[in-house]
Amino acid sequence: DSGVTQTPKHLITATGQRVTLRCSPRSGDLSVYWYQQSLDQGLQFLIQYYNGEERAKGNILERFSAQQFPDLHSELNLSSLELGDSALYFCASSVETGSNSPLHFGNGTRLTVT
Amino acid sequence: QQPVQSPQAVILREGEDAVINCSSSKALYSVHWYRQKHGEAPVFLMILLKGGEQKGHDKISASFNEKKQQSSLYLTASQLSYSGTYFCGTETSGYALNFGKGTSLLVTP
Repeated sequence: DSGVTQTPKHLITATGQRVTLRCSPRSGDLSVYWYQQSLDQGLQFLIQYYNGEERAKGNILERFSAQQFPDLHSELNLSSLELGDSALYFCASSVETGSNSPLHFGNGTRLTVT
Repeated sequence: QQPVQSPQAVILREGEDAVINCSSSKALYSVHWYRQKHGEAPVFLMILLKGGEQKGHDKISASFNEKKQQSSLYLTASQLSYSGTYFCGTETSGYALNFGKGTSLLVTP
């Protein structure tokens, strides 16, 4: 158990809808990362937060947004969903930002858009 | 910038060795290695920082050649438990870790 909690485990929704994925980092970790995993693309970096502030952005679509709250949990909001958004979404946390900190991944949220 | 991993897939018999390579087109600050078993989350194996250091984790070790912007993961005397998909993650600038598409490793009895 990595100590990172993601909810829900599965989400099934229709195209055009909006969903929110939630992540609670390991106790003591200040940095939260969101990744999207699909079969052909591997792990795609979406966005990173550190202690409530956005630190880095990757291939995150404009329809997607995220935030990290004062209690350090994070939410990833996906709107106007398309079939291609179906994927496994991972949250990871680390003690600090930068090269030296290993990432600890949650078990992921599997999103299916029908 | 997504690093490039090779090979895409490897099938080994128990006890055999394997090498997984990871290369980047940009200068690297660090390289991370993770293993993901089917249906599970990726699990951290090791971090290599600038300086060409080599690290080990049981019979799994890795090297980092910052001049060539490459890292290699060495699995020796492979065990059934080594099966999974291996990802390298590279940090080129800032704080984001970008992962390769992964190398699928299957160890058979």
